[in-house]
Amino acid sequence: SSELTQDPAVSVALGQTVRITCQGDSLRTYYANWYQQKAGQAPVLVIYGKNSRPSGIPDRFSGSSSGNAASLTITGAQAEDEADYYCNSRDSSGYHLEVFGTGTKVTFL
Amino acid sequence: QVQLQQWGAGLLKPSETLSLNCAVYGGSFSAYYWSWIRQPPGKGLEWIGDINHGGSTNYNPSLKSRVTISLDTSKNQFSLRLTSVTAADTAVYYCATGRNNWSDVHDFWGRGTPVTVSS
Repeated sequence: SSELTQDPAVSVALGQTVRITCQGDSLRTYYANWYQQKAGQAPVLVIYGKNSRPSGIPDRFSGSSSGNAASLTITGAQAEDEADYYCNSRDSSGYHLEVFGTGTKVTFL
Repeated sequence: QVQLQQWGAGLLKPSETLSLNCAVYGGSFSAYYWSWIRQPPGKGLEWIGDINHGGSTNYNPSLKSRVTISLDTSKNQFSLRLTSVTAADTAVYYCATGRNNWSDVHDFWGRGTPVTVSS
């Protein structure tokens, strides 16, 4: 099955921009989706597909992709954005299978 | 707006069968895939599998031999069974929706059920 790799942790200053990356072979074929998970809570979908936001997600969240990598960008990060972020996509070994990334913890400097 | 309410036994002994249920409120079974995802303590998310309204299932190959996901439309709920559990199956288990054309897009999640496997 496929693997999606993320940096374990990134730090950002309040109000600055942070980019979280996700790498894997499946991303050459399929889009990544992104989930935010705060401590003790269920994940929340923040970006899906090419670069779509579910209702209620602030427009400071955006997504992009190139080659075997996808990125989630938070422009003007806010204190409430401190959380773990996971990418996922379909698995390149099977259309109806899926895989999650290893997760990135975003903290503030 | 779909709401998912999940429940099941939280403490199991090795070799027992994990059984969890997820009730669906505010959603049509034909509108989504119905997924199970788990998260071991301090670790990342792992997709377990899903089922569509027609009863067609997909499972993570690493768990396929032990997993069954089923649907009961009369009760508006879907279920997870995982046989022969070990300590490695200790995790928070989430039920979630998946979009029909994009089953890996999980808009709605249950609160999670912590399951511990210990002798």
